[in-house]
Amino acid sequence: GENVEQHPSTLSVQEGDSAVIKCTYSDSASNYFPWYKQELGKRPQLIIDIRSNVGEKKDQRIAVTLNKTAKHFSLHITETQPEDSAVYFCAASPFISSGSARQLTFGSGTQLTVLP
Amino acid sequence: DGGITQSPKYLFRKEGQNVTLSCEQNLNHDAMYWYRQDPGQGLRLIYYSQIVNDFQKGDIAEGYSVSREKKESFPLTVTSAQKNPTAFYLCASSTETGGETQYFGPGTRLLVL
Repeated sequence: GENVEQHPSTLSVQEGDSAVIKCTYSDSASNYFPWYKQELGKRPQLIIDIRSNVGEKKDQRIAVTLNKTAKHFSLHITETQPEDSAVYFCAASPFISSGSARQLTFGSGTQLTVLP
Repeated sequence: DGGITQSPKYLFRKEGQNVTLSCEQNLNHDAMYWYRQDPGQGLRLIYYSQIVNDFQKGDIAEGYSVSREKKESFPLTVTSAQKNPTAFYLCASSTETGGETQYFGPGTRLLVL
């Protein structure tokens, strides 16, 4: 099955700096890679995702890059703000067939702290 | 997110007891999922269901059971066979067609007395 490794486990940055979180995956059949943000005691919320037919996707201060050859993908947050502080999870999923539920395999999470 | 509800918010289990966690969604989503989250760890898939009356084991199904009698409901039972049930349990749902995005419920925290 799929295995997803995520680094670093904790990351502290100064407000306004950039933050980068990296993930690697093992299953070459994986073609969908979402990133979730989870605040303390809350539900995970999707912040951005990327499919294997593109190499980069941006949404305002957030971007994700994907290197299929190396089997790794990264989350980039620019101009960080205190409200960005949370745990971030990457995940990977293979496409099985149309209509199939997606089996997401999650990384272990990164605690991001943005210092004012 | 508001379309997925879980109850109770906190649940206490005694030794040898089965407990059931509720998950309901009004998003008309076909697929539903149960995940377990332990402190400092990622989410692990317990069971998932693509359609009514169908469900499949995930990575850590031992000691758990589910049912999917209605599209909007996917209850999870933590049986006495699950020896370490203390965790945060999250339910999620997604649409069938192009349904990669999974929307999560608020979670149930299960504690053992």
